[in-house]
Amino acid sequence: EVQLVESGGGLVQPGGSLRLSCAASGFTFSTYYMTWVRQAPGKGLEWVSYIISSGTSTWYADSVKGRFTISRDNAKNSLYLQMNSLRAEDTAVYYCATDRGPYSSSPNSGAFDIWGQGTMVTVSS
Amino acid sequence: DIQMTQSPSSVSASVGDRVTITCRASQGVSSWLAWYQQKPGKAPKLLIYAASSLQSGVPSRFSGSGSGTEFTLTIRSLQPEDFATYYCQQANSFPYTFGQGTKLEIK
Repeated sequence: EVQLVESGGGLVQPGGSLRLSCAASGFTFSTYYMTWVRQAPGKGLEWVSYIISSGTSTWYADSVKGRFTISRDNAKNSLYLQMNSLRAEDTAVYYCATDRGPYSSSPNSGAFDIWGQGTMVTVSS
Repeated sequence: DIQMTQSPSSVSASVGDRVTITCRASQGVSSWLAWYQQKPGKAPKLLIYAASSLQSGVPSRFSGSGSGTEFTLTIRSLQPEDFATYYCQQANSFPYTFGQGTKLEIK
């Protein structure tokens, strides 16, 4: 079964750190570009970060740039999000997702087809 | 950054109706546009990619159209399971951005 399972969420104080993990199974993880998307309680979706299959290129939303780091370990079929200097506005459900793959002449489509169930991060004192 | 604006923010409709949701980009995104459906407490589900390509397994009553700055998601013959929130998302350039969402409610 194709699956993504996030873990690592929880309650953290402002200024603290947290590392989210996303375990992939049922597909060849090493060939997929991956992303993190978050959703604050009662709000819409916000794209957070993106990484290519090799892990050598990454992109971030302005709201997390310099504080969050996306990475992956293809040998462990895992995606990570290291979150530092956390703020109250980072409180959200964090989802990992796969880019559905090549489109036209591009190696990616920028559309996300496999999603995890999400992990809740709460930043509060 | 490219801003994505959906309209309407909410819509009420009945089973069997046809509904159209519009998504406008603040600058051209070519066909790099996806649509998602999200139900409460669940992860989003990809419906349409590349503006008009139906994702595998998605019913054919869903369709997408448009290019450049204006896009539409059409659901014909609404089914009870279609009542949810819908989001557009541009993938033309980073940072990727989502629309604010359109909540489709039962009339």
